[in-house]
Amino acid sequence: DVKVTQSSRYLVKRTGEKVFLECVQDMDHENMFWYRQDPGLGLRLIYFSYDVKMKEKGDIPEGYSVSREKKERFSLILESASTNQTSMYLCASLSLGATEAFFGQGTRLTVV
Amino acid sequence: AQSVTQLDSHVSVSEGTPVLLRCNYSSSYSPSLFWYVQHPNKGLQLLLKYTSAATLVKGINGFEAEFKKSETSFHLTKPSAHMSDAAEYFCVVSDTGTGGFKTIFGAGTRLFVKA
Repeated sequence: DVKVTQSSRYLVKRTGEKVFLECVQDMDHENMFWYRQDPGLGLRLIYFSYDVKMKEKGDIPEGYSVSREKKERFSLILESASTNQTSMYLCASLSLGATEAFFGQGTRLTVV
Repeated sequence: AQSVTQLDSHVSVSEGTPVLLRCNYSSSYSPSLFWYVQHPNKGLQLLLKYTSAATLVKGINGFEAEFKKSETSFHLTKPSAHMSDAAEYFCVVSDTGTGGFKTIFGAGTRLFVKA
């Protein structure tokens, strides 16, 4: 089974803090994604990466950055956390040419 | 440009009655379409997918969906609801048009099942 692991299920951070959300997949997938999920808005794509050190902006990249130094790990960074970034964050991965994405369990981030 | 519209934010059915969750999409290319389910405090699970083969797609737990290109719809159905079907369901469109591979989620439909 493909496994996508997010390092934390729950996080509470203060406004202005730098926040790292980590995601690791164990199936050698090329593509990895970060989404945020908010009630009534579905999942919205923040950033994705199709290879090591490669990244592309999604639909809502403002206030976020990403890092992909190794194929299995894709990090989402909130440079200066704000209360409107309180949300559920989901990481996903899929292999080149495949169409089904596999998701992590999610990280519920609260910024106070 | 891609988009996905789930026509109902909430659907409530009685146990044993049919389920219909509606989804319309737009895509410039030949899309792949999916339904995912998310149970409370659980991750997303793939229910079924359409990838240009048979237009009627069968998934897990008795769900199925029909791809209708003329109506740009991909509605999810189940003949008889079970209490364990109560969850949030997401319709998803994915294709590799200009701008690279992109996956767009609908806003979700929360399914309530009454005893």
